[in-house]
This record gives sequence, C-alpha cells and structure tokens, in this order.
Amino acid sequence: GENVEQHPSTLSVQEGDSAVIKCTYSDSASNYFPWYKQELGKRPQLIIDIRSNVGEKKDQRIAVTLNKTAKHFSLHITETQPEDSAVYFCAASKAILTGGGNKLTFGTGTQLKVEL
Amino acid sequence: ETGVTQTPRHLVMGMTNKKSLKCEQHLGHNAMYWYKQSAKKPLELMFVYSLEERVENNSVPSRFSPECPNSSHLFLHLHTLQPEDSALYLCASSQDGANDNEQFFGPGTRLTVL
Repeated sequence: GENVEQHPSTLSVQEGDSAVIKCTYSDSASNYFPWYKQELGKRPQLIIDIRSNVGEKKDQRIAVTLNKTAKHFSLHITETQPEDSAVYFCAASKAILTGGGNKLTFGTGTQLKVEL
Repeated sequence: ETGVTQTPRHLVMGMTNKKSLKCEQHLGHNAMYWYKQSAKKPLELMFVYSLEERVENNSVPSRFSPECPNSSHLFLHLHTLQPEDSALYLCASSQDGANDNEQFFGPGTRLTVL
C-alpha cells in the first residue's frame, strides 16, 4: 500500500519568514496530493491540492510543488502570520474511480509555530 | 454547523459499554469515511463507503462496526473497546467520481475508553 512520510514534525519560524514542509510517497500510481491544515481542537481543512499532471500550484501565500520522478511534494508558505500556526498534513491517493471512494494516505503531520 | 456534523462531540465509555458515533453530511456527497486520529500518529483511514456500499475496511478490529443506511448518514458502532481505542474519530465525505476530490471533515468525536 501507499506510504507517506512527512518532515519536519515540528517547525518554528519568525513571522514574515517562509515555511517549507516536505512529503514523500511510495506508490507511483498516486496522482492526487492534498494538504490539510488542522488548528487546535478543530477539524482538518483542505488548503491546497495538486494533481500529478501539474508541477506547481499557487494560491496567494501558499504553494505546492510536485516532483513525480522523485515522488515527493512540498508545501510552501510565504510571509507567515501567527494564524498560520497549526498542524499541517500531506496526503496521497490514487486515481479516483466512481464507486471506489477516495482513499487518502496521510503523513504524520507538521506542527508549525509562527512566532512574533 | 453545516457541512459535516458529528455527535456526540465527546464520549467517555467503559470497556463493556456499547455506544454509537453518528455522522451526517449536508453536502450531497456520495462517499463517506471514518478516520481515527491518535496523538503523534497520522490520520488512519478505517472505513470507506461509496454509494452506500463499504468499499474499504482497513483491518479494523471487529469491535468497530460501521453502518451507512443512506448517503447522508454514517454510524460507527462501538462495543467492548480497549483503552488504546481512545482517540479522536473523524468522519469525512466527498463526491466520488467528481473532478474535485476534496474530503470535508466533521469536527470529530473525542472518545475516551476507561
């Protein structure tokens, strides 16, 4: 089955700096890679996702890059703010077939702390 | 709350109790999921229902029994649990087969087994 590794487990940055979180996956058939943000005591929420036919995707201060050859993908947050402090999870899944659901395999999470 | 709701939000039970967790989605989705979230471990997929049929059972012990009576409701029946089953249980839903594969999570049920 799919195995997703995520690093670092904790990340502390100064407000305004950039933060980078990296994930690797094992199954070359995986083609959908979402990133979720989970604030303390709250539910995980999708912040950005990327498909294997795209190398990079950006949404304001958040960007994700994908290297299919190396089987790794990264989350980049620029100009970090205190409200970015949360746990971030990467995930990977294979092609979605109707009737099969979307079986995401998650990384272990990165606790990001943005300090003033 | 709209979207995906879960009840109860907190549950404390003894090892001999029987209880059920409930999930309801108001998004018109056709796939629903149960995840287990323990401290310092990744979200673990437990069950997947698509079009009301169970399509995934990730080697979950039989003391966890899911039920999906329709596309909007999902239950997790619990019996004779162990203390190591204490965790946050998250429900999610998505639109199976759509271009957008986003899974929407509920707020979770914090379960403590004594």
